[in-house]
Amino acid sequence: DQQVKQNSPSLSVQEGRISILNCDYTNSMFDYFLWYKKYPAEGPTFLISISSIKDKNEDGRFTVFLNKSAKHLSLHIVPSQPGDSAVYFCAVRASGTYKYIFGTGTRLKVLA
Amino acid sequence: EAQVTQNPRYLITVTGKKLTVTCSQNMNHEYMSWYRQDPGLGLRQIYYSMNVEVTDKGDVPEGYKVSRKEKRNFPLILESPSPNQTSLYFCASSLMAVNEQFFGPGTRLTVL
Repeated sequence: DQQVKQNSPSLSVQEGRISILNCDYTNSMFDYFLWYKKYPAEGPTFLISISSIKDKNEDGRFTVFLNKSAKHLSLHIVPSQPGDSAVYFCAVRASGTYKYIFGTGTRLKVLA
Repeated sequence: EAQVTQNPRYLITVTGKKLTVTCSQNMNHEYMSWYRQDPGLGLRQIYYSMNVEVTDKGDVPEGYKVSRKEKRNFPLILESPSPNQTSLYFCASSLMAVNEQFFGPGTRLTVL
């Protein structure tokens, strides 16, 4: 049973527009949430994170929103650039543990 | 250069032939972890280590062993590989368990 779901396997967005990637989780005990980006033939790289005590965290073009009541995490990229084309994984950590659970990933394609 | 290295990058082997995938980090990180990436399943954590001589199971530990005798190294051992262990494997490390992880470039393993 998947505890972390990224229901959109792929997403296409025009350059300059907003990209919104979504992630849903089932366990209210998750307390730390992260987004990673992965290019082909490379390992994932960290993008941005948020703890459960916040509902928003911003870093340049990237903003992560956390809706705890809906158990929903989203990543906004504004403006989207062709170099953002990659697979994006959300990841969560359960409170009091050192285990991480990743979503299945969303492939973002930014069209020039 | 701060990095996580994995060897080998590619490996084709046969069922039952013991193998080890090495992982090393030069950032003095305490936390290290192994993941496998499979189509449609995202990244799944195999084992993790909070520090030297401290390891624990992730979500998919069956068929794998790890050891952490030194801080910088965290090898993944497959005592008797089977075809269902054909996958892309990533090693990762972080300063502590609560920080974002740095990933290695991946090891593509095929078990015939």
